[in-house]
Amino acid sequence: GAVVSQHPSRVICKSGTSVKIECRSLDFQATTMFWYRQFPKQSLMLMATSNEGSKATYEQGVEKDKFLINHASLTLSTLTVTSAHPEDSSFYICSAPFWGRDYGYTFGSGTRLTVV
Amino acid sequence: AQSVTQLGSHVSVSEGALVLLRCNYSSSVPPYLFWYVQYPNQGLQLLLKYTSAATLVKGINGFEAEFKKSETSFHLTKPSAHMSDAAEYFCAVSDQGGSEKLVFGKGTKLTVNP
Repeated sequence: GAVVSQHPSRVICKSGTSVKIECRSLDFQATTMFWYRQFPKQSLMLMATSNEGSKATYEQGVEKDKFLINHASLTLSTLTVTSAHPEDSSFYICSAPFWGRDYGYTFGSGTRLTVV
Repeated sequence: AQSVTQLGSHVSVSEGALVLLRCNYSSSVPPYLFWYVQYPNQGLQLLLKYTSAATLVKGINGFEAEFKKSETSFHLTKPSAHMSDAAEYFCAVSDQGGSEKLVFGKGTKLTVNP
């Protein structure tokens, strides 16, 4: 239980274009979704927290207008990288907390974004 | 604010040897602690978690960790390393274990030599 499906797993886009990453909770309701960015050989850095039906909360230094997060339903949260540049190339991972008989955090499988 | 320190960005062991990955935390309230493993280009897989119950926590793949409040530590161990254990390991802390964000350590890359 508590599975998050993340798509696409890999995407290559041209500089200046936008890319959308989706995370879907398959068997539970994800009221909260965390979005992380991971550079090569580094740890996960929290970018923003989205809550269903409300505006996302961004961490300091993260550009809200570049990284658009939408959490319109209890099963879908999206991250759109707008006007992508090569420096946006990274590994993006979503994560959702879950409660019930068990609790914890489940992670998507990640999206490798390459901007050329 | 909570934080996690993982001592040693790289750990190398021989196959069959003891694995010890160190994690120290800082938290103003009783923490929830997690160990995750990440293989290249993949998401994170939970190894084990501490939830204020038993201080010795057993996880998957033969890993276990002991919560020591006096030392603010949550070190990960495995008695005998396998080649398949080679991966990146992350320790993480959450104050409430549910609605609060996870704060990650910088990770430790484990290499297992034949």
